[in-house]
Amino acid sequence: GEDVEQSLFLSVREGDSSVINCTYTDSSSTYLYWYKQEPGAGLQLLTYIFSNMDMKQDQRLTVLLNKKDKHLSLRIADTQTGDSAIYFCAETAGKLIFGQGTTLQVKP
Amino acid sequence: DVKVTQSSRYLVKRTGEKVFLECVQDMDHENMFWYRQDPGLGLRLIYFSYDVKMKEKGDIPEGYSVSREKKERFSLILESASTNQTSMYLCASSFRGIQETQYFGPGTRLLVL
Repeated sequence: GEDVEQSLFLSVREGDSSVINCTYTDSSSTYLYWYKQEPGAGLQLLTYIFSNMDMKQDQRLTVLLNKKDKHLSLRIADTQTGDSAIYFCAETAGKLIFGQGTTLQVKP
Repeated sequence: DVKVTQSSRYLVKRTGEKVFLECVQDMDHENMFWYRQDPGLGLRLIYFSYDVKMKEKGDIPEGYSVSREKKERFSLILESASTNQTSMYLCASSFRGIQETQYFGPGTRLLVL
């Protein structure tokens, strides 16, 4: 069945780049999403990429999509303490399938 | 801006109680969803609805029911709450279409004692 996998934890220093990785299984996914969840809050849509794109950049965020390997990544440049959160990737396979979430810890 | 609101941020209930979680969206979205979020498991879909009075089971519907009498409102019902239903419950809504970006409410943290 459909599955989305992420590593559970990433720790970086403030000012460094963060790269959060995700693998998915459904090659027919039309869109792939990144959501951010701050402590005690719901999910906030960060960005999404259409499946016929390789890359999408939005200010400090860069999304890379490798369809052959079914690999999605989110790069956050100049990571700030306010970026500390859980990041979920999700694929559309008739419905949204979420990964387990990656907790990003940003150390001062 | 899309706004999805949930009736409570925190709720404490006793085992066996009937629990109602309410969700309201103000963007005329056709689709509405209920998820539960547990550490290490991500989000799991409980139920969803594509239209008024329509409902579809998600991945973990057991112990839950839903109601959608109006387009803007989607209710999740725990018929007889159990301790294993202690969780964070998230509601979401979206337009129906190819690009069905889901917008989430702030969540309800439910503790069942």
